[in-house]
Amino acid sequence: GAVVSQHPSWVICKSGTSVKIECRSLDFQATTMFWYRQFPKQSLMLMATSNEGSKATYEQGVEKDKFLINHASLTLSTLTVTSAHPEDSSFYICSARVTPGDTQYFGPGTRLTVL
Amino acid sequence: GQNIDQPTEMTATEGAIVQINCTYQTSGFNGLFWYQQHAGEAPTFLSYNVLDGLEEKGRFSSFLSRSKGYSYLLLKELQMKDSASYLCAVRQNSWGKLQFGAGTQVVVTP
Repeated sequence: GAVVSQHPSWVICKSGTSVKIECRSLDFQATTMFWYRQFPKQSLMLMATSNEGSKATYEQGVEKDKFLINHASLTLSTLTVTSAHPEDSSFYICSARVTPGDTQYFGPGTRLTVL
Repeated sequence: GQNIDQPTEMTATEGAIVQINCTYQTSGFNGLFWYQQHAGEAPTFLSYNVLDGLEEKGRFSSFLSRSKGYSYLLLKELQMKDSASYLCAVRQNSWGKLQFGAGTQVVVTP
């Protein structure tokens, strides 16, 4: 099956620093990847759609200057949380779209804690 | 507005059957997905329906009625490891973007 990895699996950082999260499709090429955020006991909220070779599409209310997305290759998308604050602490999950079939497979997630 | 509704929690005993309903009202429809998510982990794909009817995959089955905006996930022969949150998600267009329901926490008791 399709495998998606994320790195790091968890990170603790100080307020004001930037954190980069990588999402890789290991055994397939993904022209489209998605970034989600999940707060405790809540569902997944889509943050942005990442398209290889073009600018990401952000959902309403998501600050594009704070959450920088780069999809430089068909197997890698990165999310950088800039100037992180405690309210950015969350579980960040990426998914990659597999075609044909259009199923999305999720990475294992990255737990970010901002002190 | 756009809504995807599913019950918050369901409890069932080991070996039993549980049916998780999902109703949706979205601006577009291009398929409905069910995912399982254990606490602290990412969702794993269970099933996908784009046409009306029942899709069966081992102990899990999923049903879709597009005219009613309704789907259900049926879990048979429940096992303790099935205790998890089950997420209903609608894909609204061919771009692949999914809108998730809040999830149904299934608790399996001995």
